[in-house]
Amino acid sequence: DIQMTQSPSSLSASVGDRVTITCRASQSISRKLNWYQHKPGEAPKLLIYAASSLQGGVPSRFSGSGSGTVFTLTISSLQPEDYATYSCQQSHSYTFGGGTKVEIK
Amino acid sequence: QVQLVQSGAEVKKPGASVKVSCKASGYTFTSYHMHWVRQAPGLGLEWMGTINPSGGSTTYAQRFQGRVTMTRDTSTSTVYMELNSLRSEDTAVYYCARHRTHCSNGICYWFFDLWGRGTLVTVSS
Repeated sequence: DIQMTQSPSSLSASVGDRVTITCRASQSISRKLNWYQHKPGEAPKLLIYAASSLQGGVPSRFSGSGSGTVFTLTISSLQPEDYATYSCQQSHSYTFGGGTKVEIK
Repeated sequence: QVQLVQSGAEVKKPGASVKVSCKASGYTFTSYHMHWVRQAPGLGLEWMGTINPSGGSTTYAQRFQGRVTMTRDTSTSTVYMELNSLRSEDTAVYYCARHRTHCSNGICYWFFDLWGRGTLVTVSS
């Protein structure tokens, strides 16, 4: 099974900060990597698919990069509504990373 | 409105079964596979399996084989996830999520583009 490891597991940041989250796959997954945002009590939201394609309606401050085994999600300027948990997912067998909780500093 | 509406929270005793529903609206139900994903307290998202609403075929994650059953009712555009022999470790929020495929340059990418709000299942004696 392909394992996905996210880092950090949590971070504190201020509004306006640039935030970067990393996801590592246990073997190459080409660009088959998705990113989701989820908040308690809400439906999770697809942000990025195919490593760097922005889902429709998602603000352009979100971006994704990487291929093979190392991927990053970047929020260029953190907004109040971005405080949430972010999870990566490899789409070979749908395994998710452990999640990164972004908290207010 | 395109949405997935899930059934309400459940409290079950160890050894019991739970059946969670997910009603789709706003799109052609039989055109998209549906997945089930759960999140236990303090843990990450975990994929449980998928169902093809068109023919009813299913694929389950290895760790749930024999304990989970996914079904659908095309007359009501609803998918169901039943989990048996519940234990405390099954306490989690259970989500349904719609499968989408995007193909580019001969490569196809899969992702979940629409999710329900989740159903909390608590297993406690």
